Amino acid sequence: DSGVTQTPKHLITATGQRVTLRCSPRSGDLSVYWYQQSLDQGLQFLIQYYNGEERAKGNILERFSAQQFPDLHSELNLSSLELGDSALYFCASSASGGGSQDTQYFGPGTRLTVL
Amino acid sequence: DAKTTQPNSMESNEEEPVHLPCNHSTISGTDYIHWYRQLPSQGPEYVIHGLTSNVNNRMASLAIAEDRKSSTLILHRATLRDAAVYYCILRTSGTYKYIFGTGTRLKVLA
Repeated sequence: DSGVTQTPKHLITATGQRVTLRCSPRSGDLSVYWYQQSLDQGLQFLIQYYNGEERAKGNILERFSAQQFPDLHSELNLSSLELGDSALYFCASSASGGGSQDTQYFGPGTRLTVL
Repeated sequence: DAKTTQPNSMESNEEEPVHLPCNHSTISGTDYIHWYRQLPSQGPEYVIHGLTSNVNNRMASLAIAEDRKSSTLILHRATLRDAAVYYCILRTSGTYKYIFGTGTRLKVLA
């Protein structure tokens, strides 16, 4: 158990809908990262928040957005969902801002299925 | 971001050592080498990291070549629970993205 929690575990929805994925980092960790893992794309970095502020952006679509709240939990919002958004979404946390020695701890993931 | 190259898959017998190679010929002097692994149906988990010297922890050892253009993750006695995809990642100071490549899928034979 990494100490990172994600809800829900599974989510099934229809095209065009909007969903919110939630992540609680390990106690004391200030950074939260979001990743998407699909069969054909591997593990793709989406975005990082550090202590409430966006720190780095990866391959995140404009239809997706995220935020980190004062209690450090984070939410990933996915809107206008398409079939291709079906994937595993992982959240990870780290103690500091993501420096070269920072270690990430991953949650169990949310499996999103768009029908 | 500096890139890493790993074999797509490897096999090992149970209870034998496993050497997982990673090439990173464009590594810069301040890049740290990190290894993560992803067990089936789980999120990735941290294994080990290092800069120049060889590193050991309870999970594995990391051997880094003198020129740092390659490294090897060593599992001293593979178990069936070590079957996973192993990712070698370079971390550069000042960049915050984690670039996971395709990794090496390790199969452990009983």
